[in-house]
Amino acid sequence: ELKVEQNPLFLSMQEGKNYTIYCNYSTTSDRLYWYRQDPGKSLESLFVLLSNGAVKQEGRLMASLDTKARLSTLHITAAVHDLSATYFCAVDSGNQFYFGTGTSLTVIP
Amino acid sequence: GAGVSQTPSNKVTEKGKYVELRCDPISGHTALYWYRQSLGQGPEFLIYFQGTGAADDSGLPNDRFFAVRPEGSVSTLKIQRTERGDSAVYLCASGGTILHEQYFGPGTRLTVT
Repeated sequence: ELKVEQNPLFLSMQEGKNYTIYCNYSTTSDRLYWYRQDPGKSLESLFVLLSNGAVKQEGRLMASLDTKARLSTLHITAAVHDLSATYFCAVDSGNQFYFGTGTSLTVIP
Repeated sequence: GAGVSQTPSNKVTEKGKYVELRCDPISGHTALYWYRQSLGQGPEFLIYFQGTGAADDSGLPNDRFFAVRPEGSVSTLKIQRTERGDSAVYLCASGGTILHEQYFGPGTRLTVT
């Protein structure tokens, strides 16, 4: 079974700081997805990475994909409180999507 | 336009009862997914529909779970003889086929007492 691991699971960071969330997966896949989930809410799509070397940026978030290393990163630049949420990566294998356990991010003023 | 909607938003039922959870996908989306999310976990795949047919139901945990999508739009997830371990948020997502992108509904929180 495909495994998707994220680290850290919990992250508390100060406003203005930079940090990276890592997502490792256990099988070959060229597609990697990042989602955001606010407490009690559903998942919001952030990035879809479709090939090796893909890099996408939106505001203070930047995601990249290395399919050879089976690794994706979500980099946060100059964090602000509004980024506090849980972030999930997901990999699809055939028809199924496999999600990581999530990284709970808290940005402290 | 309208997003994915799910009803009910909350469902409390007694152990052993039957429940139905409904998902209305985005109009025109042919792909529809059901997931189950337990507290502190990522969504767990249950079943995938492409049109009216279940293309992959390998995530359904046992034969108490069943899902249908008779006209290729609305889908219903059915759970028989509910158990306390079925308590979770059930998420539905729909999508097109090009980018494999999914749009999630708000979820149904199921509590089995």
